[in-house]
Amino acid sequence: DAKTTQPPSMDCAEGRAANLPCNHSTISGNEYVYWYRQIHSQGPQYIIHGLKNNETNEMASLIITEDRKSSTLILPHATLRDTAVYYCIVRVAGAAGNKLTFGGGTRVLVKP
Amino acid sequence: DAGVIQSPRHEVTEMGQEVTLRCKPISGHDYLFWYRQTMMRGLELLIYFNNNVPIDDSGMPEDRFSAKMPNASFSTLKIQPSEPRDSAVYFCASSSPGSLATNEKLFFGSGTQLSVL
Repeated sequence: DAKTTQPPSMDCAEGRAANLPCNHSTISGNEYVYWYRQIHSQGPQYIIHGLKNNETNEMASLIITEDRKSSTLILPHATLRDTAVYYCIVRVAGAAGNKLTFGGGTRVLVKP
Repeated sequence: DAGVIQSPRHEVTEMGQEVTLRCKPISGHDYLFWYRQTMMRGLELLIYFNNNVPIDDSGMPEDRFSAKMPNASFSTLKIQPSEPRDSAVYFCASSSPGSLATNEKLFFGSGTQLSVL
């Protein structure tokens, strides 16, 4: 699975959009981009995933560049409860039994 | 659905003792994963099962660790004998691949905080 690079931390203001970048310049054509987050003292939680088209669900939007070498997770209206570590992961769907390898992630602090 | 259920939530034991962590996956999920999280190493995959069969245990640190899945609704992770460096949060997760093998989401339990003194 391709490696990802994320900033170690970032702050954002409550009520504003939070844009979390992820670089995956070595991504292969059959690798998906997944985002998970981990709120303090809880297990990781799935947010969203995509291949090449932009995706949106009730939690967030995922914007993938045309060359697929980077992506951005957007939390449209950040709340204090969005404070968490956000993990960007790339892997081949259906391969190796859904095994996910977590990197260091981005520690997001939402401030009032 | 109650989600992935892990027990105990917290475990404190002394070095040399046997520790057993338990996990009940979400009903209908055919993959089960055990992860360990520490400050130094982050989240590490220890082992995963498919249809109760261990598929990849390459992340198991050493022979002191063993995992079993006797049926589709129960798994255990055992450490015998335990050591202080085993102190960590241990997460269990389950998933089902989905009809197109693209809708893959791991659902994690709340974890077991293990402290070995």
